Amino acid sequence: EAQVTQNPRYLITVTGKKLTVTCSQNMNHEYMSWYRQDPGLGLRQIYYSMNVEVTDKGDVPEGYKVSRKEKRNFPLILESPSPNQTSLYFCASSPLFVEPYEQYFGPGTRLTVT
Amino acid sequence: GENVEQHPSTLSVQEGDSAVIKCTYSDSASNYFPWYKQELGKRPQLIIDIRSNVGEKKDQRIAVTLNKTAKHFSLHITETQPEDSAVYFCAASRRAAGNKLTFGGGTRVLVKP
Repeated sequence: EAQVTQNPRYLITVTGKKLTVTCSQNMNHEYMSWYRQDPGLGLRQIYYSMNVEVTDKGDVPEGYKVSRKEKRNFPLILESPSPNQTSLYFCASSPLFVEPYEQYFGPGTRLTVT
Repeated sequence: GENVEQHPSTLSVQEGDSAVIKCTYSDSASNYFPWYKQELGKRPQLIIDIRSNVGEKKDQRIAVTLNKTAKHFSLHITETQPEDSAVYFCAASRRAAGNKLTFGGGTRVLVKP
């Protein structure tokens, strides 16, 4: 089954404790992206990647890191989480060279930082 | 950068009536405009999209219109059904592939039976 998976789905952590949210897709998509969703603000892009070892900042990259060492994986790293990073996070992927270019979203990770 | 505004933030309609959601964007270079539906507790899913070389696109009960001159686009849902209840997001991007999507704030639609 074609899908985007994220782990964990729910996470409660404390300020300053490093964490990683994993994202994996099995559709051989070149493009991957991370969004955060906050009430009234829609989805805002954090980082994106056009290919292995190619990443770039989105609209709200502060406090986050990403890496793309393999085509299928795009982990999101919070080196020192803060309460303002409490949010619902979505990973998404899409092809770059074959239509449709629809972005497929993962199930989401609800993060709470206390 | 791009800024997308979406109205209304909430919309309540009677089953069978039509629902319209409007979005405006700021970047005149944007030329790809998808709409996503997010049911409660679930991931966003693409329901329809439109490119700038087209003024209108329909898919069964949903349609999207685009006015590039005025920089606004709208989602129209006809004959609404309870399963249309969800949050809808518009978005804009400069290209369809490898798209850096900028989303609107979302519209919560409630269809009352």
